Amino acid sequence: DVKVTQSSRYLVKRTGEKVFLECVQDMDHENMFWYRQDPGLGLRLIYFSYDVKMKEKGDIPEGYSVSREKKERFSLILESASTNQTSMYLCASSYLGLAGGLVTGELFFGEGSRLTVL
Amino acid sequence: AQSVAQPEDQVNVAEGNPLTVKCTYSVSGNPYLFWYVQYPNRGLQFLLKYITGDNLVKGSYGFEAEFNKSQTSFHLKKPSALVSDSALYFCAVTSHLYGGSQGNLIFGKGTKLSVKP
Repeated sequence: DVKVTQSSRYLVKRTGEKVFLECVQDMDHENMFWYRQDPGLGLRLIYFSYDVKMKEKGDIPEGYSVSREKKERFSLILESASTNQTSMYLCASSYLGLAGGLVTGELFFGEGSRLTVL
Repeated sequence: AQSVAQPEDQVNVAEGNPLTVKCTYSVSGNPYLFWYVQYPNRGLQFLLKYITGDNLVKGSYGFEAEFNKSQTSFHLKKPSALVSDSALYFCAVTSHLYGGSQGNLIFGKGTKLSVKP
C-alpha cells in the first residue's frame, strides 16, 4: 500500500515562529502536493511539485514556501506563522498520468497535520 | 476555468436507506472525476474515479457513481447506507491526466454525510 506520512499530527506554535511540516511518501511518486483544509472552503492547493527541486505555486501560496530536495520528501514551510494559518494541512502524492499502460490520477493523502497558531 | 459544486453541505440518511451525494462540474474538455472520503481527523481516501468507458463506476465500500455528461454530474450513490459511512465526501475533477499544472485536481467544498441508526 502507498503510504504518505506527515511528521506531526498536531502542532501548536506562536505567531512569528517558523514552522516546518514534513511529508514523506514511499511509492516513488513524482508528484507531491500540499493542501490546506478549512471548514466550508474545502481543499485549497498551496504548492505542488512534479520533480525534485521543482515547485509551483498553487491557489494560495502567500505566506508559505516549500522544499523538495529528495523525491520522497516534500516540506512545507511557514516562514513567520500567523493566526490565519491555523488549519489542517494535508500532503498528497500521485503518479498523475500513465503508469504501465494504466491511467491513474488518484491522489494518496497523509493523515493531516493540524496546526494551531496562537 | 474548472470548478466543482457540491450543492449540499450535509446529507442525512437513515441506516439501510439509499444515499446520494451530489456533484456537478464544469471543465473545458473531457472531465476526469473522482470521489474521496474523509473520516474524522484523518486524511482523504480515494473511493472511485471516472476516466472513460461505462458511465456507472463502482468503487470501495459498496459505493458507486454515475457520470452524466449532459447534466455535467457525477453523483455518488450507495444502495443501503451504514452508520460507518458517516464522513465527509469530496468530489474532484481535472481535464488533464498527464501531468503538469493543468492536471491538478479541483475539489468541491465537501458534503457531510450523516447516517443515523
